[in-house]
Amino acid sequence: SQELEQSPQSLIVQEGKNLTINCTSSKTLYGLYWYKQKYGEGLIFLMMLQKGGEEKSHEKITAKLDEKKQQSSLHITASQPSHAGIYLCGADKSNDYKLSFGAGTTVTVRA
Amino acid sequence: DAGITQSPRHKVTETGTPVTLRCHQTENHRYMYWYRQDPGHGLRLIHYSYGVKDTDKGEVSDGYSVSRSKTEDFLLTLESATSSQTSVYFCAIRNDGSNQPQHFGDGTRLSIL
Repeated sequence: SQELEQSPQSLIVQEGKNLTINCTSSKTLYGLYWYKQKYGEGLIFLMMLQKGGEEKSHEKITAKLDEKKQQSSLHITASQPSHAGIYLCGADKSNDYKLSFGAGTTVTVRA
Repeated sequence: DAGITQSPRHKVTETGTPVTLRCHQTENHRYMYWYRQDPGHGLRLIHYSYGVKDTDKGEVSDGYSVSRSKTEDFLLTLESATSSQTSVYFCAIRNDGSNQPQHFGDGTRLSIL
């Protein structure tokens, strides 16, 4: 069963535009992890959030975790072709370092 | 890359045959994980290890077994492969500590005919 809801399932964005992906859990999370995957490849770790209200940025990607630690968003500013891929959120729900993953969001960036 | 090697990278086999996938790490990390990735399901945890000879089941462990006799190697075995086990399998490792992420290998694409 999918305990983490990711939305949207896919999106197409014009190069230079912003985009946002959401990840929602019905349970309070001990940690929220964002990964990026290119087709046929492994997952690349992007960011980890652990505290309510936490926000982290790396280059043009910003991730936030809400105060209740049940929802996270990943925002990409001024998207580029290199941002294309599948973005997955993973959550530690039991503080045991086992992650449950969302189904992923496929991002396509059009020139 | 986090020093994780999965082998083989691709395998095609027949229903009923045994299959073993290997995950090898050079990072000396304590935790190792096996996931499968299927369309519409994201990644699902099969088994994980928290030390040598210490393993536990994940959410989709039926039909799979694992072994970890050395820190660096984590083996996933399908005793009698079925077509429903056709998938992409990922290994991940994680260092000790509360703020450590999992790092993933490049995956093994397994087809069972």
